[in-house]
Amino acid sequence: GENVEQHPSTLSVQEGDSAVIKCTYSDSASNYFPWYKQELGKRPQLIIDIRSNVGEKKDQRIAVTLNKTAKHFSLHITETQPEDSAVYFCAASMGNSGYALNFGKGTSLLVTP
Amino acid sequence: NAGVTQTPKFQVLKTGQSMTLQCAQDMNHEYMSWYRQDPGMGLRLIHYSVGAGITDQGEVPNGYNVSRSTTEDFPLRLLSAAPSQTSVYFCASSIGTANEKLFFGSGTQLSVL
Repeated sequence: GENVEQHPSTLSVQEGDSAVIKCTYSDSASNYFPWYKQELGKRPQLIIDIRSNVGEKKDQRIAVTLNKTAKHFSLHITETQPEDSAVYFCAASMGNSGYALNFGKGTSLLVTP
Repeated sequence: NAGVTQTPKFQVLKTGQSMTLQCAQDMNHEYMSWYRQDPGMGLRLIHYSVGAGITDQGEVPNGYNVSRSTTEDFPLRLLSAAPSQTSVYFCASSIGTANEKLFFGSGTQLSVL
Protein backbone atom coordinates (compact mmCIF):
# COMPACT_ATOMS: atom_id res chain seq x y z
CA GLY A 1 0.00 0.00 0.00
CA GLU A 2 0.92 3.65 -0.02
CA ASN A 3 3.37 4.76 2.65
CA VAL A 4 2.79 6.90 5.68
CA GLU A 5 6.02 8.18 7.17
CA GLN A 6 6.02 9.24 10.80
CA HIS A 7 8.68 11.24 12.69
CA PRO A 8 10.23 11.16 15.17
CA SER A 9 10.21 7.52 16.27
CA THR A 10 10.89 8.56 19.87
CA LEU A 11 10.27 11.85 21.62
CA SER A 12 11.08 12.86 25.17
CA VAL A 13 9.72 16.09 26.65
CA GLN A 14 9.41 17.58 30.10
CA GLU A 15 6.04 17.91 31.72
CA GLY A 16 4.39 21.13 30.61
CA ASP A 17 6.25 21.36 27.32
CA SER A 18 4.66 20.85 23.91
CA ALA A 19 5.12 17.79 21.72
CA VAL A 20 4.82 17.67 17.94
CA ILE A 21 4.65 14.53 15.81
CA LYS A 22 4.72 14.77 12.02
CA CYS A 23 3.46 12.46 9.28
CA THR A 24 3.66 12.51 5.52
CA TYR A 25 1.63 10.44 3.10
CA SER A 26 1.93 9.63 -0.58
CA ASP A 27 -1.62 8.72 -1.68
CA SER A 28 -3.18 11.87 -3.13
CA ALA A 29 -6.63 10.27 -2.77
CA SER A 30 -6.34 10.08 1.04
CA ASN A 31 -9.03 12.20 2.67
CA TYR A 32 -9.19 11.06 6.29
CA PHE A 33 -6.38 11.29 8.86
CA PRO A 34 -6.82 9.87 12.36
CA TRP A 35 -4.41 9.71 15.28
CA TYR A 36 -4.38 6.82 17.73
CA LYS A 37 -2.80 6.58 21.17
CA GLN A 38 -1.61 3.24 22.51
CA GLU A 39 -0.52 2.89 26.10
CA LEU A 40 1.81 0.04 26.97
CA GLY A 41 0.02 -3.31 26.67
CA LYS A 42 -3.28 -1.68 25.75
CA ARG A 43 -5.36 -1.30 22.60
CA PRO A 44 -5.01 1.70 20.28
CA GLN A 45 -7.60 4.40 20.95
CA LEU A 46 -8.65 7.24 18.67
CA ILE A 47 -7.71 10.64 20.08
CA ILE A 48 -8.45 12.98 17.18
CA ASP A 49 -9.13 12.84 13.45
CA ILE A 50 -9.38 15.29 10.58
CA ARG A 51 -10.84 15.29 7.09
CA SER A 52 -9.16 16.76 4.07
CA ASN A 53 -11.59 19.69 3.80
CA VAL A 54 -10.35 21.05 7.14
CA GLY A 55 -6.92 22.51 7.84
CA GLU A 56 -6.90 22.31 11.63
CA LYS A 57 -8.86 20.72 14.44
CA LYS A 58 -8.50 21.13 18.21
CA ASP A 59 -9.71 19.17 21.19
CA GLN A 60 -8.54 20.63 24.49
CA ARG A 61 -4.74 20.10 24.63
CA ILE A 62 -4.60 18.20 21.35
CA ALA A 63 -4.62 19.64 17.85
CA VAL A 64 -4.04 18.28 14.37
CA THR A 65 -3.01 20.32 11.34
CA LEU A 66 -3.21 19.19 7.73
CA ASN A 67 -1.43 20.51 4.65
CA LYS A 68 -2.99 18.62 1.77
CA THR A 69 -0.83 20.31 -0.85
CA ALA A 70 2.34 19.17 0.86
CA LYS A 71 0.74 15.88 1.96
CA HIS A 72 1.67 16.19 5.59
CA PHE A 73 -0.19 16.40 8.88
CA SER A 74 0.92 16.89 12.45
CA LEU A 75 -0.23 16.19 15.99
CA HIS A 76 0.35 18.89 18.58
CA ILE A 77 0.05 18.20 22.30
CA THR A 78 0.33 21.21 24.58
CA GLU A 79 0.97 21.30 28.34
CA THR A 80 2.06 17.68 28.30
CA GLN A 81 1.42 15.47 31.33
CA PRO A 82 3.01 12.15 32.36
CA GLU A 83 -0.21 10.34 31.37
CA ASP A 84 0.39 11.49 27.77
CA SER A 85 3.28 9.01 27.67
CA ALA A 86 2.35 6.40 25.05
CA VAL A 87 2.93 5.40 21.45
CA TYR A 88 1.09 7.60 18.96
CA PHE A 89 0.16 6.40 15.48
CA CYS A 90 -0.91 8.53 12.57
CA ALA A 91 -2.88 7.05 9.68
CA ALA A 92 -4.22 8.03 6.28
CA SER A 93 -7.15 6.56 4.44
CA MET A 94 -6.13 4.21 1.67
CA GLY A 95 -7.12 5.21 -1.86
CA ASN A 96 -10.58 6.29 -2.96
CA SER A 97 -12.49 3.46 -1.29
CA GLY A 98 -12.09 4.81 2.24
CA TYR A 99 -12.34 1.28 3.55
CA ALA A 100 -8.83 0.91 4.93
CA LEU A 101 -6.07 2.85 6.66
CA ASN A 102 -2.32 3.05 6.21
CA PHE A 103 -0.66 3.52 9.58
CA GLY A 104 2.65 5.14 10.39
CA LYS A 105 5.16 3.17 12.44
CA GLY A 106 4.48 5.08 15.61
CA THR A 107 6.13 7.62 17.91
CA SER A 108 6.99 6.68 21.46
CA LEU A 109 6.38 9.78 23.58
CA LEU A 110 7.82 10.01 27.07
CA VAL A 111 6.78 12.87 29.31
CA THR A 112 9.07 13.23 32.31
CA PRO A 113 7.92 15.00 35.49
CA ASN B 1 -21.93 -2.91 25.89
CA ALA B 2 -18.82 -5.06 25.88
CA GLY B 3 -17.49 -3.29 22.77
CA VAL B 4 -15.08 -5.38 20.72
CA THR B 5 -14.18 -8.72 22.31
CA GLN B 6 -11.23 -10.80 21.18
CA THR B 7 -10.34 -14.31 22.25
CA PRO B 8 -7.95 -15.77 23.14
CA LYS B 9 -5.64 -13.13 24.67
CA PHE B 10 -2.57 -15.32 24.30
CA GLN B 11 -1.84 -18.31 22.08
CA VAL B 12 1.20 -20.43 21.30
CA LEU B 13 1.17 -22.56 18.16
CA LYS B 14 3.57 -24.92 16.48
CA THR B 15 4.50 -24.37 12.87
CA GLY B 16 1.85 -25.88 10.61
CA GLN B 17 -0.99 -25.77 13.12
CA SER B 18 -4.20 -23.97 12.30
CA MET B 19 -6.37 -21.88 14.58
CA THR B 20 -9.08 -19.25 14.63
CA LEU B 21 -8.90 -15.91 16.40
CA GLN B 22 -12.34 -14.81 17.47
CA CYS B 23 -13.71 -11.28 17.30
CA ALA B 24 -17.17 -10.16 18.27
CA GLN B 25 -18.75 -6.72 18.66
CA ASP B 26 -22.10 -5.78 20.17
CA MET B 27 -22.34 -2.24 18.80
CA ASN B 28 -24.07 -3.19 15.54
CA HIS B 29 -21.09 -1.88 13.58
CA GLU B 30 -21.02 -2.65 9.87
CA TYR B 31 -17.27 -2.31 9.38
CA MET B 32 -14.84 -4.79 10.93
CA SER B 33 -11.17 -5.38 10.28
CA TRP B 34 -8.11 -7.30 11.40
CA TYR B 35 -4.69 -5.72 11.90
CA ARG B 36 -1.40 -7.17 12.95
CA GLN B 37 1.12 -5.18 14.97
CA ASP B 38 4.81 -5.98 14.87
CA PRO B 39 7.55 -4.07 16.72
CA GLY B 40 8.50 -0.93 14.83
CA MET B 41 6.02 -1.68 12.04
CA GLY B 42 2.84 0.04 13.13
CA LEU B 43 -0.48 -1.61 12.32
CA ARG B 44 -0.95 -3.45 9.04
CA LEU B 45 -4.35 -4.39 7.65
CA ILE B 46 -4.93 -8.09 7.01
CA HIS B 47 -8.59 -8.32 5.96
CA TYR B 48 -11.68 -6.21 6.35
CA SER B 49 -15.43 -6.45 5.96
CA VAL B 50 -17.97 -3.72 5.19
CA GLY B 51 -20.94 -5.86 6.19
CA ALA B 52 -22.24 -9.39 6.62
CA GLY B 53 -21.28 -11.57 3.67
CA ILE B 54 -18.68 -9.11 2.33
CA THR B 55 -14.94 -9.39 2.93
CA ASP B 56 -11.86 -8.05 1.19
CA GLN B 57 -8.09 -8.27 1.45
CA GLY B 58 -5.89 -5.70 3.10
CA GLU B 59 -2.17 -5.11 2.88
CA VAL B 60 -0.94 -8.47 4.27
CA PRO B 61 -3.63 -11.14 3.62
CA ASN B 62 -1.45 -14.15 2.78
CA GLY B 63 -1.84 -17.05 5.19
CA TYR B 64 -5.12 -15.75 6.63
CA ASN B 65 -8.79 -16.32 5.85
CA VAL B 66 -11.86 -14.49 7.12
CA SER B 67 -15.62 -14.80 6.89
CA ARG B 68 -18.49 -12.57 7.99
CA SER B 69 -21.65 -14.61 8.38
CA THR B 70 -23.18 -12.22 10.93
CA THR B 71 -22.81 -8.52 11.72
CA GLU B 72 -21.41 -9.36 15.15
CA ASP B 73 -18.63 -11.85 14.37
CA PHE B 74 -15.50 -11.63 12.25
CA PRO B 75 -13.14 -14.58 12.89
CA LEU B 76 -9.60 -14.72 11.52
CA ARG B 77 -8.27 -18.12 10.51
CA LEU B 78 -4.62 -19.05 10.27
CA LEU B 79 -4.48 -21.93 7.83
CA SER B 80 -0.97 -23.25 8.52
CA ALA B 81 0.86 -21.16 11.09
CA ALA B 82 4.37 -19.93 10.34
CA PRO B 83 6.90 -18.19 12.63
CA SER B 84 6.45 -15.04 10.50
CA GLN B 85 2.90 -14.85 11.83
CA THR B 86 4.13 -14.27 15.38
CA SER B 87 2.54 -10.93 16.18
CA VAL B 88 -0.13 -9.11 18.14
CA TYR B 89 -3.47 -9.20 16.35
CA PHE B 90 -6.12 -6.53 16.77
CA CYS B 91 -9.69 -6.66 15.62
CA ALA B 92 -11.45 -3.33 15.09
CA SER B 93 -14.94 -2.15 14.18
CA SER B 94 -16.58 1.13 13.25
CA ILE B 95 -20.13 2.33 12.95
CA GLY B 96 -20.14 3.21 9.28
CA THR B 97 -19.03 1.35 6.19
CA ALA B 98 -15.75 3.24 6.24
CA ASN B 99 -12.69 3.02 8.47
CA GLU B 100 -13.40 6.01 10.64
CA LYS B 101 -13.30 6.09 14.41
CA LEU B 102 -12.16 2.51 14.85
CA PHE B 103 -12.87 0.70 18.11
CA PHE B 104 -10.14 -1.84 18.77
CA GLY B 105 -10.32 -5.07 20.72
CA SER B 106 -7.78 -5.81 23.43
CA GLY B 107 -5.59 -7.88 21.14
CA THR B 108 -4.34 -11.45 20.80
CA GLN B 109 -0.65 -12.13 21.31
CA LEU B 110 0.28 -15.06 19.08
CA SER B 111 3.58 -16.92 19.09
CA VAL B 112 4.38 -19.51 16.44
CA LEU B 113 7.29 -21.78 17.31
